[in-house]
Amino acid sequence: AQSVTQPDIHITVSEGASLELRCNYSYGATPYLFWYVQSPGQGLQLLLKYFSGDTLVQGIKGFEAEFKRSQSSFNLRKPSVHWSDAAEYFCAVAYGNKLVFGAGTILRVKS
Amino acid sequence: NAGVTQTPKFRILKIGQSMTLQCTQDMNHNYMYWYRQDPGMGLKLIYYSVGAGITDKGEVPNGYNVSRSTTEDFPLRLELAAPSQTSVYFCASSPGGEGNQPQHFGDGTRLSIL
Repeated sequence: AQSVTQPDIHITVSEGASLELRCNYSYGATPYLFWYVQSPGQGLQLLLKYFSGDTLVQGIKGFEAEFKRSQSSFNLRKPSVHWSDAAEYFCAVAYGNKLVFGAGTILRVKS
Repeated sequence: NAGVTQTPKFRILKIGQSMTLQCTQDMNHNYMYWYRQDPGMGLKLIYYSVGAGITDKGEVPNGYNVSRSTTEDFPLRLELAAPSQTSVYFCASSPGGEGNQPQHFGDGTRLSIL
């Protein structure tokens, strides 16, 4: 069955530090992968997506993610975190016309 | 751009009451979805629709019903509210197609059953 694992429930980083959020997926075919961000009281906003081609994808707000088929991973990165990046981040894999989401990682940014 | 609009934003229900959560989209998307979000659990798919007149169950459909009479609207019905249905509900839409084009989300309905 398709599944997505985000191993870190909470992550705290200092403002200006680099960030990596982990995501592992289980899917038999070529995956279509997404990262979404949710600010408090808001809906989910798409950060970036991987469909095919270049395994390093760029998204909005300075985020990028790298698809590694051998590790079944799609980790999200940002070189320098801003206080406004504090939010919950969800990784998702598509199958058919549905999405399976991970449980989310809450990012806290300390000044 | 309105995108996906959900109403109401907040609601408190008593056990056994019924209500309909409204969702409408103005992007002419064929695919629409209802999720519930509980702390630490991510989003779970309740029902989805691939077009007007076509609906199907997701992962957690029990206690809910849907209909899709138009492309724009996809209401979610709770018939007999139970405390376990306390959650945040999100509606989403997508154009569909290969690779499941990204879903667009509404801002959610926060529902408490007391």
